[in-house]
Amino acid sequence: NAGVTQTPKFQVLKTGQSMTLQCAQDMNHEYMSWYRQDPGMGLRLIHYSVGAGITDQGEVPNGYNVSRSTTEDFPLRLLSAAPSQTSVYFCASTEAGAEYGYTFGSGTRLTVV
Amino acid sequence: QQQVKQSPQSLIVQKGGISIINCAYENTAFDYFPWYQQFPGKGPALLIAIRPDVSEKKEGRFTISFNKSAKQFSLHIMDSQPGDSATYFCAATSFIQGAQKLVFGQGTRLTINP
Repeated sequence: NAGVTQTPKFQVLKTGQSMTLQCAQDMNHEYMSWYRQDPGMGLRLIHYSVGAGITDQGEVPNGYNVSRSTTEDFPLRLLSAAPSQTSVYFCASTEAGAEYGYTFGSGTRLTVV
Repeated sequence: QQQVKQSPQSLIVQKGGISIINCAYENTAFDYFPWYQQFPGKGPALLIAIRPDVSEKKEGRFTISFNKSAKQFSLHIMDSQPGDSATYFCAATSFIQGAQKLVFGQGTRLTINP
């Protein structure tokens, strides 16, 4: 049981480049989310999905796109990378119902130079 | 604005002592309050959680105290051990249009000295 798998683990981008952070879960969870973690800021919600074909914006969506074509996959796309997007990105999933808690991936550390 | 405020930012406790982390929230729509534990290089993991109709929940050495009227809750770690050294996040969950949304506090880096 792999849980939530994120790739890559590390990435360095130049300003203006685009890339996709991959996230896959094998638990058949309905809800999936992307967070970014910055020092002193906790984890902030970027985008989330309540099921295949349904996505919505979180707290800090600017500069990011998502899609959810299958239950398993929820990629995060950076359209034109900026230094302000240097962060650690976490993908998470959960079943419907608050008591289940979110399962997080191990994160992608992104540096934009 | 930060919907869930957490303090302190960092905490150092001696082995065997009690670690206390506090959180406060404003939004009364929150209806579930989990705590997550994160070790370096790993994603956060659910530690313990409480519903607002309960004033206290205990799981082993970890206890959540919840004060609904003050909109505050706290994590107590009894008999703290070096293996408890990690970053702890309080969080709050709300359901909006069928979506379960999780909002985190800023995090507390806990160090337990041997």
